Amino acid sequence: GENVEQHPSTLSVQEGDSAVIKCTYSDSASNYFPWYKQELGKGPQLIIDIRSNVGEKKDQRIAVTLNKTAKHFSLHITETQPEDSAVYFCAATRNFGNEKLTFGTGTRLTIIP
Amino acid sequence: DAGVIQSPRHEVTEMGQEVTLRCKPISGHDYLFWYRQTMMRGLELLIYFNNNVPIDDSGMPEDRFSAKMPNASFSTLKIQPSEPRDSAVYFCASSSQPGTGVIYGYTFGSGTRLTVV
Repeated sequence: GENVEQHPSTLSVQEGDSAVIKCTYSDSASNYFPWYKQELGKGPQLIIDIRSNVGEKKDQRIAVTLNKTAKHFSLHITETQPEDSAVYFCAATRNFGNEKLTFGTGTRLTIIP
Repeated sequence: DAGVIQSPRHEVTEMGQEVTLRCKPISGHDYLFWYRQTMMRGLELLIYFNNNVPIDDSGMPEDRFSAKMPNASFSTLKIQPSEPRDSAVYFCASSSQPGTGVIYGYTFGSGTRLTVV
């Protein structure tokens, strides 16, 4: 089955700086890679996703890059703000929308004001 | 749509008691997933349904756990009897394929925090 590794487990950055979280996956058939943000006491919320036919996707301050050859994908947050503090999870699946997600172990991001 | 709705938000029960968690998926979503989250194991899939039919229950930890989806708008996860090690946050999520006219992708509920004492 799929195995997703995520690094780092904790990350602290100064407000305004950039944050990068990296994931690797094992199943070369995986083709959908979402990122979730989980705030305290809430469920994971989808913030951005990428499919395997695209190398990069951007949404305002958030971007995701995908390297299919190396089986790596990364989340980039620029101009970080205090409200970006949360736990972030990457995930992977073979069949977008109709198969289980395999999650990474999460990254606790803290933005230092 | 109000999103995926789970109840109760918090549940405290004594060891040995039966616990039932409830989920209402997003209308039009044809997949429903139950996940459990703990510090030690992270987010792990317990079971998922397609069109109300269980597809993969290999993540259900023991026979004490059971899940049903009697119709497209309701699912339950039952633990009987409950044990302290079942304490966790249980999430329900629903999804659909793109192009179906509903919110696509996996959407999670707010979870049920279960404490078994």
